[in-house]
Amino acid sequence: AQRVTQPEKLLSVFKGAPVELKCNYSYSGSPELFWYVQYSRQRLQLLLRHISRESIKGFTADLNKGETSFHLKKPFAQEEDSAMYYCALLSGYSTLTFGKGTMLLVSP
Amino acid sequence: GAGVSQSPRYKVAKRGQDVALRCDPISGHVSLFWYQQALGQGPEFLTYFQNEAQLDKSGLPSDRFFAERPEGSVSTLKIQRTQQEDSAVYLCASSLTTGMVGNEQFFGPGTRLTVL
Repeated sequence: AQRVTQPEKLLSVFKGAPVELKCNYSYSGSPELFWYVQYSRQRLQLLLRHISRESIKGFTADLNKGETSFHLKKPFAQEEDSAMYYCALLSGYSTLTFGKGTMLLVSP
Repeated sequence: GAGVSQSPRYKVAKRGQDVALRCDPISGHVSLFWYQQALGQGPEFLTYFQNEAQLDKSGLPSDRFFAERPEGSVSTLKIQRTQQEDSAVYLCASSLTTGMVGNEQFFGPGTRLTVL
């Protein structure tokens, strides 16, 4: 069965510091992975997906099949990055399996 | 533009009551999903529709949960004889299609259900 693990419940950094939100997955097929973000009082929205290999709001994530990881990184955190971040794995028709989420708190 | 909408946004039910949660997906979106998000957890899959067909209901926690999408647009998630463990945020999402292209899921604001 598929599983997504986000080991950190909370990550607290200062503005300008590098950020890495960890995500590990378990899946027998070819994985398609996503990062979703939920800002305060807003709905869950897609941040980026590994297939597109984009950089969104300065965030990047590389799929490492050997380590079964899809960590989210940003070199210089901004206060507006404070939010809840969920890693998700696509399986079956289009079923998303989410991790428990990591709260990122960026302090001035 | 119009996104996914859900109603009601908040629902308080007494244990044993039946509730119905509504989802209006983005117009033209073929796929519709329901997720349950308990406090401090990530969303968990409940069920999936492609048009009016319910293709996967493996995530529904018990036979008290029932979902329908009779005309392939609006969907309703019904919970019968609610229990306290049903308290959660219920999220609806829709996507244009499935597969590798066009499968981004757009989420609604959720319905927060509290069972007393």
